[in-house]
Amino acid sequence: IAGITQAPTSQILAAGRRMTLRCTQDMRHNAMYWYRQDLGLGLRLIHYSNTAGTTGKGEVPDGYSVSRANTDDFPLTLASAVPSQTSVYFCASSEGSESEQFFGPGTRLTVL
Amino acid sequence: GQNIDQPTEMTATEGAIVQINCTYQTSGFNGLFWYQQHAGEAPTFLSYNVLDGLEEKGRFSSFLSRSKGYSYLLLKELQMKDSASYLCAVRDSNYQLIWGAGTKLIIKP
Repeated sequence: IAGITQAPTSQILAAGRRMTLRCTQDMRHNAMYWYRQDLGLGLRLIHYSNTAGTTGKGEVPDGYSVSRANTDDFPLTLASAVPSQTSVYFCASSEGSESEQFFGPGTRLTVL
Repeated sequence: GQNIDQPTEMTATEGAIVQINCTYQTSGFNGLFWYQQHAGEAPTFLSYNVLDGLEEKGRFSSFLSRSKGYSYLLLKELQMKDSASYLCAVRDSNYQLIWGAGTKLIIKP
C-alpha cells in the first residue's frame, strides 16, 4: 500500500441498502476526512477525524456515519442509501489539521 | 455564510500564461490551498499561502491578499497536461477546508 486506498472503486446500490466505503492510509497521518464531490459544487466535508478514537461532523453529515478505531482506517457507512447520495466520495488524510491533505482515488457511488 | 468563488471555465493556448482567480469570504482564515484535479482523478496539492504575497514553485505561482480576500494561481509555459480543474480551498477558523467549485482549464494547441 502506498498513500491512501479506497474500496470499492465504484458501486451501484439499491435505495435503502446499507453500504460501507473503505479507506486505508499507510502514512501514519493523524487526521482523516471524507468528502463528496458533485458536479458544479466544491468538495463538501462529510465527517472528519483529527486522531484515532475521535470523529467530528462536517458540512453534510446527515445519512452518514464514521468510525476511527485505529490510525490507518476510516470507513464511511451509509445506513440506508438514498438517490441524493449518488456522488463521488473522496477520502483524504493529513499529518495534522494544519497540514496539506492527500486524497485517495475516490469511490463513484450510484444509488438507484 | 462561507463562500469561495472562482471562474467555472477558462481556455488558454499551449505555451501561454494563464491566471486563475479565487475570492473568498469565510469565518476566519488559516491559509489558502490550490489543488489540481484531472478528470476522473483525485485532487493533488499544488500550493499553500498563509501570508500575503507570491509563492513560486516552478511553472506555478500563487498569490494571496488577505485584506482583499483574494488569491490567484498563475500557470506559465502552459502544457497540454495542464488541462485539468484547479480547486481553491480556504482553511477556516475551525481548521476545516472550504472548497470552491473549481475552474476547468482547457489548453488548446
